[in-house]
Amino acid sequence: SAVISQKPSRDICQRGTSLTIQCQVDSQVTMMFWYRQQPGQSLTLIATANQGSEATYESGFVIDKFPISRPNLTFSTLTVSNMSPEDSSIYLCSVEEQSTGSGELFFGEGSRLTVL
Amino acid sequence: DAKTTQPPSMDCAEGRAANLPCNHSTISGNEYVYWYRQIHSQGPQYIIHGLKNNETNEMASLIITEDRKSSTLILPHATLRDTAVYYCIVRPYTGNQFYFGTGTSLTVIP
Repeated sequence: SAVISQKPSRDICQRGTSLTIQCQVDSQVTMMFWYRQQPGQSLTLIATANQGSEATYESGFVIDKFPISRPNLTFSTLTVSNMSPEDSSIYLCSVEEQSTGSGELFFGEGSRLTVL
Repeated sequence: DAKTTQPPSMDCAEGRAANLPCNHSTISGNEYVYWYRQIHSQGPQYIIHGLKNNETNEMASLIITEDRKSSTLILPHATLRDTAVYYCIVRPYTGNQFYFGTGTSLTVIP
């Protein structure tokens, strides 16, 4: 199973600033997914990041607000730009299992972001 | 968008079987049923998945109705550590996004 590390695990930020979250995977994966989980809510898919191409964003999410990089098959970043208190959430990186072909997703432990 | 419906919450006595239902009446022929759970403050954890046959692993059993419009996740002997939010997701086998619904919050009671 894939092991996913996210940094930072948590942060407190000021309104109007930007924060970049890093996601490192211990194996090469084709598809990486970024999710947001607002307090007390389910997970909402932000975008799908494939290496070598631009990320595909879900309805309600735009590249200017959540730019994503995918420079190689083991790493991705999500930036939350011009933050407001409404961006306070847990942001989770996930990857699809490649070796067994089960199609299951593995998740990092998330990055808990608080915007003041 | 999520294509599943689950009860918002359930209780189960410790040691008893927990049966978590999921409706997916619009499931397509190529879509699998996946179950995940999220223990407080952790990333979601894969439990099991299936297409049309019943499946069992070390964590749980998955029962899918013959018409595939609903399924049940069974935790055979619930423990306090099984208290979590359980998500049922339908998705083509690989290469497509997972959309999470609202899930079922299971509380295992001592």
